[in-house]
Amino acid sequence: NAGVTQTPKFQVLKTGQSMTLQCAQDMNHNSMYWYRQDPGMGLRLIYYSASEGTTDKGEVPNGYNVSRLNKREFSLRLESAAPSQTSVYFCASRRGNEQYFGPGTRLTVT
Amino acid sequence: AQSVTQLDSQVPVFEEAPVELRCNYSSSVSVYLFWYVQYPNQGLQLLLKYLSGSTLVKGINGFEAEFNKSQTSFHLRKPSVHISDTAEYFCAVSDEVQGAQKLVFGQGTRLTINP
Repeated sequence: NAGVTQTPKFQVLKTGQSMTLQCAQDMNHNSMYWYRQDPGMGLRLIYYSASEGTTDKGEVPNGYNVSRLNKREFSLRLESAAPSQTSVYFCASRRGNEQYFGPGTRLTVT
Repeated sequence: AQSVTQLDSQVPVFEEAPVELRCNYSSSVSVYLFWYVQYPNQGLQLLLKYLSGSTLVKGINGFEAEFNKSQTSFHLRKPSVHISDTAEYFCAVSDEVQGAQKLVFGQGTRLTINP
């Protein structure tokens, strides 16, 4: 039982490049989330998926897209990366009123 | 709109001393409150939560928090800290526990335990 896994762990992009952050959970949870963590700002919700087949915007969705591929997987795509997207990205899934977080992806955009 | 303010960005304490990490929230509807902990280079994990009922809630690793509706606070306490408690602590609020449960996090408090 791996919980929530994220790939890659680290990534460096140049401005304008695109990439997809992958997230998978093996706990059969319905809801999944993407957050970004920036120093002094806590975690902010980018997008979420309350159940398979649905996605909704969170607090800071601009510059991102998501896909809920199936119940297990929820990916986050940056179409044209910008330096302002340098951050640590966390995926989470939820059972009841507890969210379970992955280990994070540290992304640097130069 | 909901918001959370953690009043201290860093808290240094000596080992075996008590600690309080402060959290204030604002919300116009019912609130559900959480404390999450992030150990170095890891994701977050739930410490404790307030949903309803007793205002004093106990969590893992000896932590507890008290919900105070009149002061809109949810401070985290531990009577005696250990080196292993060194981590960043996040207070969070949600206005629902079913449905989407969108969490709004505070800025975080870095707890450093000195020997």
